[in-house]
Amino acid sequence: NAGVTQTPKFQVLKTGQSMTLQCAQDMNHNSMYWYRQDPGMGLRLIYYSASEGTTDKGEVPNGYNVSRLNKREFSLRLESAAPSQTSVYFCASSRDSQGGELFFGEGSRLTVL
Amino acid sequence: GQQLNQSPQSMFIQEGEDVSMNCTSSSIFNTWLWYKQDPGEGPVLLIALYKAGELTSNGRLTAQFGITRKDSFLNISASIPSDVGIYFCAGRGGSNYKLTFGKGTLLTVNP
Repeated sequence: NAGVTQTPKFQVLKTGQSMTLQCAQDMNHNSMYWYRQDPGMGLRLIYYSASEGTTDKGEVPNGYNVSRLNKREFSLRLESAAPSQTSVYFCASSRDSQGGELFFGEGSRLTVL
Repeated sequence: GQQLNQSPQSMFIQEGEDVSMNCTSSSIFNTWLWYKQDPGEGPVLLIALYKAGELTSNGRLTAQFGITRKDSFLNISASIPSDVGIYFCAGRGGSNYKLTFGKGTLLTVNP
């Protein structure tokens, strides 16, 4: 029962480097999300994909891009990493965009030096 | 945008005590969710509420969807050490189908 799987779990980058966080879900969910979690800030939505082929900005999209590769996979890319992007990133999925319950991955801890 | 105020920010309690936390919204919600996050893990859904006034239990946890649709409460009875973690409320309302999360309540249970 994998649920939502994220890779990598840990990553250290230098300022200006690029990287992609991968996410896959095996629950046949239509909607997928990327959040970041920072101390005292809770979970903030970066981008989401209501269904395959669509993506939309969330609350804090600047500095990120996403790709909904297929129904299972939703990746988050940092083109030029900045220290302000040091955070824990969570991918989540739900049955559909109005389906209430989100299921989260275990998180990817990113440090930008 | 929608705002959620979750309180308290943190709690230190003794094992066996009951715990109560709540979230209030600046607007009406039609869904309330409560999540728990263990250290180093992703949030896990505890209870989902879909109707005003709804009271739902999951073991020692009980959550309620407020009558005004602007608040929700989570109670934990007879706390145990494994209850330690961060508890998040999340809500969704109106035509905005994105979830809004509270900032979390950090619970510490002393054995």
